[in-house]
Amino acid sequence: SQTIHQWPATLVQPVGSPLSLECTVEGTSNPNLYWYRQAAGRGLQLLFYSVGIGQISSEVPQNLSASRPQDRQFILSSKKLLLSDSGFYLCAWSEGGAHLYGYTFGSGTRLTVV
Amino acid sequence: SQQGEEDPQALSIQEGENATMNCSYKTSINNLQWYRQNSGRGLVHLILIRSNEREKHSGRLRVTLDTSKKSSSLLITASRAADTASYFCATVSTGANSKLTFGKGITLSVRP
Repeated sequence: SQTIHQWPATLVQPVGSPLSLECTVEGTSNPNLYWYRQAAGRGLQLLFYSVGIGQISSEVPQNLSASRPQDRQFILSSKKLLLSDSGFYLCAWSEGGAHLYGYTFGSGTRLTVV
Repeated sequence: SQQGEEDPQALSIQEGENATMNCSYKTSINNLQWYRQNSGRGLVHLILIRSNEREKHSGRLRVTLDTSKKSSSLLITASRAADTASYFCATVSTGANSKLTFGKGITLSVRP
């Protein structure tokens, strides 16, 4: 069966420090991968998605970047964190596009920038 | 940008009652999906209804879709305290490479 792992669960980082959040999927090949951010009391904002290795699409301009070095690995990064980067970050995968299937989400990373 | 708008924003009911949550959207869709999120956790996919479908059932869940009104409803029958969570509708617009766009969610509290 397919599983998705996301870590760490919580992270407190100072302003200006780098960030690396990792997400891996097991039990499937060539998944579509997504990074979402959820601010307190808000819906989910799509940050990045990837349909294949090395293929990254950015949905909103921001201080973050994403990479997909392996088929089932998706990494969210920042060189210098801002206070506004605080939030709940969720990785998700789907088998094909959203017009076909629902998404499976990881358990999320709570990032607090101080 | 968010497409789905859920209504109400918060709902509190007694265990055993039915909970009805609504979602409206603005553009033509390929499908509409409902998700559940327990506090501090990831989202769990509940049900997907396609634009050519009007109603779908899954256990105690019933979802309807009215494309003429651009709206959907999620009904949870015989609610339980364990149904307490946030519920999100998400839409997939028509067109290639479309992705899920989420609403802000509804907070459901089921009192035991």
